[in-house]
Amino acid sequence: AQKITQTQPGMFVQEKEAVTLDCTYDTSDQSYGLFWYKQPSSGEMIFLIYQGSYDEQNATEGRYSLNFQKARKSANLVISASQLGDSAMYFCAMREGPNFGNEKLTFGTGTRLTIIP
Amino acid sequence: GAGVSQTPSNKVTEKGKYVELRCDPISGHTALYWYRQSLGQGPEFLIYFQGTGAADDSGLPNDRFFAVRPEGSVSTLKIQRTERGDSAVYLCASSDRDRGSYNEQFFGPGTRLTVL
Repeated sequence: AQKITQTQPGMFVQEKEAVTLDCTYDTSDQSYGLFWYKQPSSGEMIFLIYQGSYDEQNATEGRYSLNFQKARKSANLVISASQLGDSAMYFCAMREGPNFGNEKLTFGTGTRLTIIP
Repeated sequence: GAGVSQTPSNKVTEKGKYVELRCDPISGHTALYWYRQSLGQGPEFLIYFQGTGAADDSGLPNDRFFAVRPEGSVSTLKIQRTERGDSAVYLCASSDRDRGSYNEQFFGPGTRLTVL
């Protein structure tokens, strides 16, 4: 089974609207971390937001928030007031185990977000 | 400060040749990671260094792939007898395990390897 599933290969959103990018994960670990990265056409992966499995509140970073539904194993990224510069690939990733144990990230296949002026 | 840098940015080689890809992590970062990203896919883990030693090399696809980090800073990913299937973008990342609560990885721009 895929550890990280992103079911939206591409999305088109009008500028200034909010957008939700879906991510579901699969793990049997109780301790894990979930990350979202943005990859513009330049290729560099840019860290956006993190959610720990034991965090009781949803993570927020500026216009980014993470809708964490642990029972559903869902960690959707919400971008508010979208901007043209948000057009990029977005990847959800998971690290299984505690923060400083298993280090590798497992990534989904990504969602290509296009913001329409 | 300077981010993670990778050289070369592009490498074209012929099948069967040997290549080296270099990664300069963020100064002071003790952890270094290599990932491979094929077209249309997310990055795939290859190897992780803590200091000079490879702490996890479970993602290396076969013994043609090898990586070193002799002084705990710069790392080199080495691929012997390259095959067309090795064509991908190779990403390097680093993190500071001594600070931060969730060990965020900072990525470089990648090296695009094309094997003809």
